[in-house]
Amino acid sequence: QQQVKQSPQSLIVQKGGISIINCAYENTAFDYFPWYQQFPGKGPALLIAIRPDVSEKKEGRFTISFNKSAKQFSLHIMDSQPGDSATYFCAASKDQAGTALIFGKGTTLSVSS
Amino acid sequence: GAVVSQHPSRVICKSGTSVKIECRSLDFQATTMFWYRQFPKQSLMLMATSNEGSKATYEQGVEKDKFLINHASLTLSTLTVTSAHPEDSSFYICSAKHYTEAFFGQGTRLTVV
Repeated sequence: QQQVKQSPQSLIVQKGGISIINCAYENTAFDYFPWYQQFPGKGPALLIAIRPDVSEKKEGRFTISFNKSAKQFSLHIMDSQPGDSATYFCAASKDQAGTALIFGKGTTLSVSS
Repeated sequence: GAVVSQHPSRVICKSGTSVKIECRSLDFQATTMFWYRQFPKQSLMLMATSNEGSKATYEQGVEKDKFLINHASLTLSTLTVTSAHPEDSSFYICSAKHYTEAFFGQGTRLTVV
């Protein structure tokens, strides 16, 4: 059962444009929502994360928007650059040290110059 | 952020042999570590949760006798793929939580020939 649904599967954006990736979760017990960036042959790297007590979090060009009632969250990459081309995964878990992340299926982002 | 180191990054082994993958938390102690498996262009699938000093918890469908996990210290967990076969070829990634944020190793590409 897919507990975290991610879309789109792939995305092509012009340099300088905004990349938007969406995720939806099912388990209302989840209270920690991170986004990871992965380059080929490498492990995922934490980009930004949000908890349900806020509706938006911004770090540099990356913003997470969170809608608790809709059980949805999204990643916005402003001023997208070719170096942002990678696979992005949303994830969710309970905000406890011993709980594993459940990942979405990933979005392959290509930023064209 | 915290650093998780995984070794080796690549390994090729013959069918029927065993391979050990190490996962270390370099600058923090991790009571719990997680092992994921990732097929090409797919998401990370949780295989097992490794707890220091106790038996690992395996996800449904993961053979615990094939994928042996040992978490002997607060900074080291190992995954041993026993009697490896070509279908075990995959990208294996470990993760450890520092407080509630999960950090990932660089992954191990296992090829069984």
